[in-house]
This record gives sequence, structure tokens and C-alpha cells, in this order.
Amino acid sequence: TQLLEQSPQFLSIQEGENLTVYCNSSSVFSSLQWYRQEPGEGPVLLVTVVTGGEVKKLKRLTFQFGDARKDSSLHITAAQPGDTGLYLCAGPFSGGYNKLIFGAGTRLAVHP
Amino acid sequence: NAGVTQTPKFQVLKTGQSMTLQCAQDMNHNSMYWYRQDPGMGLRLIYYSASEGTTDKGEVPNGYNVSRLNKREFSLRLESAAPSQTSVYFCASSEAVYGTVHTGELFFGEGSRLTVL
Repeated sequence: TQLLEQSPQFLSIQEGENLTVYCNSSSVFSSLQWYRQEPGEGPVLLVTVVTGGEVKKLKRLTFQFGDARKDSSLHITAAQPGDTGLYLCAGPFSGGYNKLIFGAGTRLAVHP
Repeated sequence: NAGVTQTPKFQVLKTGQSMTLQCAQDMNHNSMYWYRQDPGMGLRLIYYSASEGTTDKGEVPNGYNVSRLNKREFSLRLESAAPSQTSVYFCASSEAVYGTVHTGELFFGEGSRLTVL
């Protein structure tokens, strides 16, 4: 059974701090996606990583795909209250074209 | 641009009642999905449809039926609701074509919050 395990489950920090959240699996993924979800809304895609070792930056957010394509991390520099939300990683089912499985998410709260 | 529209947004049912959640997308996407979201469990795939008339089971299909009415619409039906089906349901779509490995970006609706008493 493919699983995506995210850690930590919860994170509460002050504005300006740095943080890293993790997405790990024992399975190899062809790609991984990161979504952010705000209360009362559906998830919104932040980034897709495809190549092992790939690093992508989105303003203060840095995403990395592990060399073996079994894990990924999201690093936020100088967090702001607007970064508050649920961060979800997702990857394709093995052998299940176009079907995406999600991790349980990391709930981030950034306090002013 | 509406994107993905789900109805209803809120629903309360009694055990054993039936209901249908409606979803429509206006992005001409091929693939559509139904997920449920429960606290601490992330999003779990219920059913997937690659195109009109085709559906495929996801991780948690038991107790649900789906219908891909046309390219725009994908409905989820609970024939006999149970308290374990209390959840927030999300419909999503993507331009992914069946047979390709990558799903592409999923576009989600705002969710339908269902409570089964």
C-alpha cells in the first residue's frame, strides 16, 4: 500500500521564523505535488516536482524532491501569517494512471 | 470563471437516507475526482473518472456510487448514508488524459460538508 507520511502534523510558530515540513514514503513516486488548503476552501496547487534532486523556489517557499524520489520537503523562510494553512503533499498511485493520493497534511499556524 | 462548482455546500442526513452530491467543471477537463477529507487523514480518493461514461474505484469506494453524466458533470451518490460517511467531500478536475503517468494540476471545488446522524 502506498503511503505518504507528513511531519510534523501541527506547527505553530511566530512570524519571521523559518520552518521545514516533510513528506516521506517507502515507495518511489514519478512526481510529487504540494498543495495548500485554507479553511473552507479546496486545496490549491503550489508546485510539482518531477526529477530526483530537483529544487524549486516559489518566493519564500523552497521545495525539494529527494534523490531517490521517495521524499520531499517544503522550507519556508521568514514565515508570515498569510502562510497559515494546511500543507498537503500528493503523488500518483503506482499503476493507477491519473489517480492522486494525498498525505494527511501539516497544519501550520503563523502568529503575528 | 467558476472552475469547479459543488452542490450542496452543507447537508444533514439521517442514517439510511440517500442523497447525491453534484459537481460541474467549466474548464473542459478530461479527468474528474471525488475525495473525502476527514480530520488527521488528509484527502482520500473515492472514485475517479477519466472521461464521459468511465469510472474507476479509488481508495475508499464502498458505500458510494458515481456517474459521469457528460464531460462537465460528475455526481456522487450515497444510497444509504451511514454516520461513518460524515465528512467533507471535494470534487476536483484535471486536464490529465488517461494513460499518462502525471495527473497534472488538480482544481478543487469548495467542498460539501455532510453530516449523517
